[in-house]
Amino acid sequence: SQQGEEDPQALSIQEGENATMNCSYKTSINNLQWYRQNSGRGLVHLILIRSNEREKHSGRLRVTLDTSKKSSSLLITASRAADTASYFCATDANNAGNMLTFGGGTRLMVKP
Amino acid sequence: NAGVMQNPRHLVRRRGQEARLRCSPMKGHSHVYWYRQLPEEGLKFMVYLQKENIIDESGMPKERFSAEFPKEGPSILRIQQVVRGDSAAYFCASKPFGGTEAFFGQGTRLTVV
Repeated sequence: SQQGEEDPQALSIQEGENATMNCSYKTSINNLQWYRQNSGRGLVHLILIRSNEREKHSGRLRVTLDTSKKSSSLLITASRAADTASYFCATDANNAGNMLTFGGGTRLMVKP
Repeated sequence: NAGVMQNPRHLVRRRGQEARLRCSPMKGHSHVYWYRQLPEEGLKFMVYLQKENIIDESGMPKERFSAEFPKEGPSILRIQQVVRGDSAAYFCASKPFGGTEAFFGQGTRLTVV
């Protein structure tokens, strides 16, 4: 089955720096979504990018999608300690019946 | 709208007992998904349900696990004769018909002792 793969698996940066996380997937998709999960909590939807879009912004978040390379990136600018969390990409594939398939996640630590 | 509600938040069961996890989707949402998450890992799809129908259960173990989403009431994920390997966080998500964004509950953390 299709699965998104995030890299890096873990990322540690200083407050104020930018954080970039990448996601690769295997089959064609309807859209790709990014979620955040704080330790021990549920997932919070961050941003959705459709297959016909190349870039999307939301506050300090910037997402790109390259369907030819089957990859996406999430950029968090001017990071804050509160951004410390795990970040997951999830793909909504054409033949998956609305099911979201998640990658293993990137664990981001932002040091104050 | 209270969001997706899962209960209990924490559940401890002895090996061999049954675990029942409940999920109330957001109001108006007719699609429910169950995922399992092991520590330090991503979410693994288990089952996708609409009211009174199982649409896709390809991610659910063939034995001991079952799920339902009745016409009235919450969706239930049932694990019979639990084993230590069932210890995980179980998340439920819901979507409206035709929607794209999935809304997640806070999860149920199952510990089998």
